[in-house]
Amino acid sequence: DAGVTQSPTHLIKTRGQQVTLRCSPKSGHDTVSWYQQALGQGPQFIFQYYEEEERQRGNFPDRFSGHQFPNYSSELNVNALLLGDSALYLCASSFRAFNTEAFFGQGTRLTVV
Amino acid sequence: AQKITQTQPGMFVQEKEAVTLDCTYDTSDPSYGLFWYKQPSSGEMIFLIYQGSYDQQNATEGRYSLNFQKARKSANLVISASQLGDSAMYFCAMRLTNAGNNRKLIWGLGTSLAVNP
Repeated sequence: DAGVTQSPTHLIKTRGQQVTLRCSPKSGHDTVSWYQQALGQGPQFIFQYYEEEERQRGNFPDRFSGHQFPNYSSELNVNALLLGDSALYLCASSFRAFNTEAFFGQGTRLTVV
Repeated sequence: AQKITQTQPGMFVQEKEAVTLDCTYDTSDPSYGLFWYKQPSSGEMIFLIYQGSYDQQNATEGRYSLNFQKARKSANLVISASQLGDSAMYFCAMRLTNAGNNRKLIWGLGTSLAVNP
């Protein structure tokens, strides 16, 4: 049973570029949440997708956008990259939004230079 | 404002001994859930244990137990019989369960645990 998978695992981008990160939820899960974890910090909630709609959003600018596909996989897009966007991006999946436990992927480490 | 505080940036413990990682939380909502996650150097967040605000008993999962003191707003993680593989970052997190704000986890800054042989 595959867990949450994220791709790519590492990425280097230049300021001003755009990036797309991908997440496949654990089998049987239908909800995907994205978090940004800067070095030495706890994760910060970006947004959550359920039934192909953004259901809740954290304090992130519109440069951060997402999408959920009919197979429940999800993408996180970041436009006009800033140096401060360098972080580990974590995807979490769950069955419905409110379960007590969320399963996380191994993350995508994004470096903006 | 809702907040999680972990005051121990780093902790050391001898193998086979028990260790307590501190977590305090701040919320005025009566309904919430508290989580502990382990993050090894690989980056993946691994769920350890959950405590609901209305749960009467402290949660336990194998070697992990949660010392939940609601009046003090603390939810400390106790790891018994530490193993070398327990060396990692440990995060405490909270989810509010009121409508409209119940989809996100609020996280602390984490505690780095090193288990010495």
